[in-house]
Amino acid sequence: AQKITQTQPGMFVQEKEAVTLDCTYDTSDPSYGLFWYKQPSSGEMIFLIYQGSYDQQNATEGRYSLNFQKARKSANLVISASQLGDSAMYFCAMREGRVGSNYKLTFGKGTLLTVNP
Amino acid sequence: SAVISQKPSRDICQRGTSLTIQCQVDSQVTMMFWYRQQPGQSLTLIATANQGSEATYESGFVIDKFPISRPNLTFSTLTVSNMSPEDSSIYLCSVSRDRRSPLHFGNGTRLTVT
Repeated sequence: AQKITQTQPGMFVQEKEAVTLDCTYDTSDPSYGLFWYKQPSSGEMIFLIYQGSYDQQNATEGRYSLNFQKARKSANLVISASQLGDSAMYFCAMREGRVGSNYKLTFGKGTLLTVNP
Repeated sequence: SAVISQKPSRDICQRGTSLTIQCQVDSQVTMMFWYRQQPGQSLTLIATANQGSEATYESGFVIDKFPISRPNLTFSTLTVSNMSPEDSSIYLCSVSRDRRSPLHFGNGTRLTVT
């Protein structure tokens, strides 16, 4: 079974509007971390935001915020005031915290975001 | 965040040959990983590069095909052996300092096998 599910292969948004990219996850570990990365067409992987399973508040980082709903096992990325430069592939990833696991991340299939002028 | 230098950035190789990719980090890091990204796909973990011991491979990846070295805490190599066109991918080195830290990635090696 997939551990990270991103159900939106592609999303479109108008410049200056907000957009939500969906991510659901599956784990039985009480301790885990959720990450979002951006991959522009140049191919580099850019870390955006992190949410720990025990964090009390939703993570925010500039125009990025994470809508963390633990009971629903969802960790959606919200981008406010979209810019043309936000057009890229976005990956959700999870790190599980069980004993014996290392620090590896498991990635979802990604969502291709296109920002229209 | 760590600065990761990965070489080569791209290569075109013939079927049956091998390519060694180098990953150099500017500071000591606990964990180092090698990922593969096939065209239009997500990232798949090949293995965890363990300092001073054999790498830990994920299901579907074997040491004979993807031998990995990690002689110290700042350097690792991944070799893609006996290449076939199916090995055409981007190979990414990544590092992490601790459990709450994100993975930081090198710029990747874009491999084309003809």
